[in-house]
Amino acid sequence: DADVTQTPRNRITKTGKRIMLECSQTKGHDRMYWYRQDPGLGLRLIYYSFDVKDINKGEISDGYSVSRQAQAKFSLSLESAIPNQTALYFCATSTGGTYNEQFFGPGTRLTVL
Amino acid sequence: GEDVEQSLFLSVREGDSSVINCTYTDSSSTYLYWYKQEPGAGLQLLTYIFSNMDMKQDQRLTVLLNKKDKHLSLRIADTQTGDSAIYFCAERYNTDKLIFGTGTRLQVFP
Repeated sequence: DADVTQTPRNRITKTGKRIMLECSQTKGHDRMYWYRQDPGLGLRLIYYSFDVKDINKGEISDGYSVSRQAQAKFSLSLESAIPNQTALYFCATSTGGTYNEQFFGPGTRLTVL
Repeated sequence: GEDVEQSLFLSVREGDSSVINCTYTDSSSTYLYWYKQEPGAGLQLLTYIFSNMDMKQDQRLTVLLNKKDKHLSLRIADTQTGDSAIYFCAERYNTDKLIFGTGTRLQVFP
């Protein structure tokens, strides 16, 4: 079974709709991250959480919100989706140890029409 | 601000060596990483190098770090078709966040 799972894997929605992307992990890691990937721009950090009660903005948090419901779950919401939020979204986890390897989920492809 | 740059594409013949380059701006980076993304999948850590090292070798992979020029490279020896993927370099700075480069798409042809 995958250690970091994301649901849904693909989603097509319309402008103005509220969307939630979910991430679950069985690795027991405290740290979780949400990134978006756009062609030619690499991965950009949206939000991150180092513990259940800890939420931090990344470099592109506008238009997004997150919820850390438990150590294993970290959800990303788009309150009112817009077309330029069309992208591939990745969740990742880490231990924050010496070299802080991040483990990525398979991604969610979101299209906003 | 922090910025990590890579060339977007690299095409090599099977059996040749591939060299993927990366430049970064934050001289206080502690670790630098190479991640691999295969089609339809998330990123996986390939290798990393601590900032006080110049070189690290791991089987077919060689990482070179030039701190003076803030230049990182990944050499893949005897490149195979299974190495076709997008390769991201990343730097780690303060509170354990990573800054990723734009990614280099490596295409290996027979």
